[in-house]
Amino acid sequence: QVQLVQSGAEVKKPGASVKVSCKASGYTFTSYDINWVRQATGQGLEWMGWMNPNSGNTGYAQKFQGRVTMTRNTSISTAYMELSSLRSEDTAVYYCARGDTYRNWGQGTLVTVSS
Amino acid sequence: QAGLTQPPSVSKGLRQTATLTCTGNSNNVGNQGAAWLQQHQGHPPKLLSYRNNNRPSGISERFSASRSGNTASLTITGLQPEDEADYYCSAWDSSLSEGVFGGGTKLTVL
Repeated sequence: QVQLVQSGAEVKKPGASVKVSCKASGYTFTSYDINWVRQATGQGLEWMGWMNPNSGNTGYAQKFQGRVTMTRNTSISTAYMELSSLRSEDTAVYYCARGDTYRNWGQGTLVTVSS
Repeated sequence: QAGLTQPPSVSKGLRQTATLTCTGNSNNVGNQGAAWLQQHQGHPPKLLSYRNNNRPSGISERFSASRSGNTASLTITGLQPEDEADYYCSAWDSSLSEGVFGGGTKLTVL
């Protein structure tokens, strides 16, 4: 069955960077885009961007342009999302999701930004 | 801030029918339609419907989606206690070249 398994929770200081991984299994990794979505506590879903694992092409939300980088390692079917210049407002659960229809989701990675 | 507009909350009785709405514009919902996601507290979202009324395998027929113009709707029939959750709509905005979500609707089953 399709699974997306994300890396564990992170605690970062303001100004630092965080890199979250998303390991895919149960399907051909390069056949579906990976989207990244975040959710602050008690808030709604916020789209961050997408990556095509085959080509490496990416598209980012304007809000995150210049701070987010999405990459992949096809040899281990893993996608990565790195967010830099962290601030307290970036504290959230970060999800990866398969495809442009968000058909499958990772379990989420809590990133806490605190001094 | 949400790109699509959803009512914050809807309350319906057990075994009743709930209809949730999601309003966008001609660049998103009115263009490629919407997807609907269900999220229970503490869990990741789950896809219920995509491109207006395509259900992934395993999703109950009690969930059906539709679209009229720039407004998408999710109808849930025969409400069950386990349907109590947050529901989000999403779409691709061709003008922004970004994904957009609604703010979510909290469905309470009385």
